[in-house]
Amino acid sequence: AQSVTQLDSQVPVFEEAPVELRCNYSSSVSVYLFWYVQYPNQGLQLLLKYLSGSTLVKGINGFEAEFNKSQTSFHLRKPSVHISDTAEYFCAVSLANYGGSQGNLIFGKGTKLSVKP
Amino acid sequence: DAGVTQSPTHLIKTRGQQVTLRCSPKSGHDTVSWYQQALGQGPQFIFQYYEEEERQRGNFPDRFSGHQFPNYSSELNVNALLLGDSALYLCASSFRGGTGELFFGEGSRLTVL
Repeated sequence: AQSVTQLDSQVPVFEEAPVELRCNYSSSVSVYLFWYVQYPNQGLQLLLKYLSGSTLVKGINGFEAEFNKSQTSFHLRKPSVHISDTAEYFCAVSLANYGGSQGNLIFGKGTKLSVKP
Repeated sequence: DAGVTQSPTHLIKTRGQQVTLRCSPKSGHDTVSWYQQALGQGPQFIFQYYEEEERQRGNFPDRFSGHQFPNYSSELNVNALLLGDSALYLCASSFRGGTGELFFGEGSRLTVL
C-alpha cells in the first residue's frame, strides 16, 4: 500500500522569502507524484506532477519540486512567495500503471502555508 | 469552457437520512472520481466511474454508492448518514485517453446533525 507524509502541518513565512514544503511517500512499486493547492472554500488545483523523466519538475505560479527516489521525497519549493500563495498544499501519489490513470490518488494531510507581509 | 460543476454547494442532513450529490465533468472528460475531505484532512478516494461502471473503489462502506450517466455526469449517494459523514465531497473529472490529469470541482459541503 502507498502512503504520503507531509512533515509540516503549518508553515508561516514572510513575503518574498523562499519556502519548502516537505513530502515523503512510501510505496513498494513505482508511483506518480503530484502537488495540489487548495484555496479557501475551493476545490483542488494541480500545481505540478512527476510521471517520469527529469526529477526536477516545474509547475504553475513559480513552484517547482524535486523527485528523490532514494529518499522517497518530493519536496515543493518556491524561491520567493507572495501573499496570494497563502493556501493549503497537498502532496499525492498514484500507482504508475495502465496509462497513468489518476483516479485513485492518495493524499497527505496537507500543509497550510501562511505568507505574512 | 465550463470546468467541473457540483451541486449542491452546501447541505445539512440529519443522522439516518440519505443524500445525493451531483457532478458534471469538464467538457471532453469521460471519467469521474469522488473524494471525501474531512475537516483538517486530505481528500480520500471513494470511487471512480468510467463508461457508467464503477472501476475503482476506496475503503468506503456500501452505504456509499454512485452512478454515471450516458452524458458522463455522476451522482454520489450516501445512505443512513452518520455524524462522521460530515465532510467536503469533491468530484474530479479526467479523460481516460489522455494523461489522466484530474480536474476538481469546488465541492459539496455536507453537514450531518
